[in-house]
Amino acid sequence: QVQLVQSGAEVKNPGASVKVSCKASGYTFTGYYMHWVRQAPGQGLEWMGWIIPNNGGTNYAQKFQGRVTMTRDTSSGTAYMELSRLKSDDTAVYYCAREAIRGSGSFYNYWGQGTLVTVSS
Amino acid sequence: DIQMTQSPSTLSASVGDRVTITCRASQSINIWLAWYQQKPGKAPKLLIYRASTLESGVPSRFSGSGSGTEFTLTIGSLQPDDFATYYCQQYNINSAFGQGTKVEVK
Repeated sequence: QVQLVQSGAEVKNPGASVKVSCKASGYTFTGYYMHWVRQAPGQGLEWMGWIIPNNGGTNYAQKFQGRVTMTRDTSSGTAYMELSRLKSDDTAVYYCAREAIRGSGSFYNYWGQGTLVTVSS
Repeated sequence: DIQMTQSPSTLSASVGDRVTITCRASQSINIWLAWYQQKPGKAPKLLIYRASTLESGVPSRFSGSGSGTEFTLTIGSLQPDDFATYYCQQYNINSAFGQGTKVEVK
C-alpha cells in the first residue's frame, strides 16, 4: 500500500533553514508528482509547490519562490522540502502529498502524516 | 493567482441534516476542483475530484456539483463522523485551497 512517511518535528531559530523529508513506498516513486502543503496552527491549507521525481523539475508557489527548494533522491524514494530564512509565521505543519493522477499535478489521494516546524527564538 | 473563497466559515448542524458548502473561484477553473475532509491532528482526506466524482470508498451521502467559478459540496444526511473541516482545492492552474468550512455540532 502507498505510504508517505515524513521526518520528525523540528524547532528552529528565526533566520535558519529547515529540511523536511518524505519517504515514499508502495508505488513507483518516479511516476507521480509530489506536492508540499503547509498548515499554520488553526489555519487553512496552503500549497507550496511540487517536484517531478522523475527529472527533478519543480514549480513553486510565487509566495515561496527564492526561499523554498524541493529535491528528491530517487535511489531511496525520498522527497525533500527545504525552507530558508525562517520567520515566526512559518510555524506550521508541513505535509507532502502525492498527486492522484500520474503526471497531472492535480489533486492528492495520499498524504504524509505531517511534520511540525516551530520557528521560535 | 486563483483565489478560492468558501462559505460559510462555520456551519452548525445536527445529525441527519442536509449540509451545503459553497466554494467560489476568482476565475473559471472549469471542473478542476476537489473537496477534502480534515479532522484535528490528521491529514486531509480526498472526498471528491473533478467537481463531482466521488473518490473510491467515500460514502454516497457526499456529492459535489458546479463548474466554472461556483461549486458546492453537499452532505445528504449528516452523520456523527462528518463533523470536521472541509476544504475545496482548485487544480486548474497550480493549486490553491479555500480557507475551510468547519462543520460543528448544533
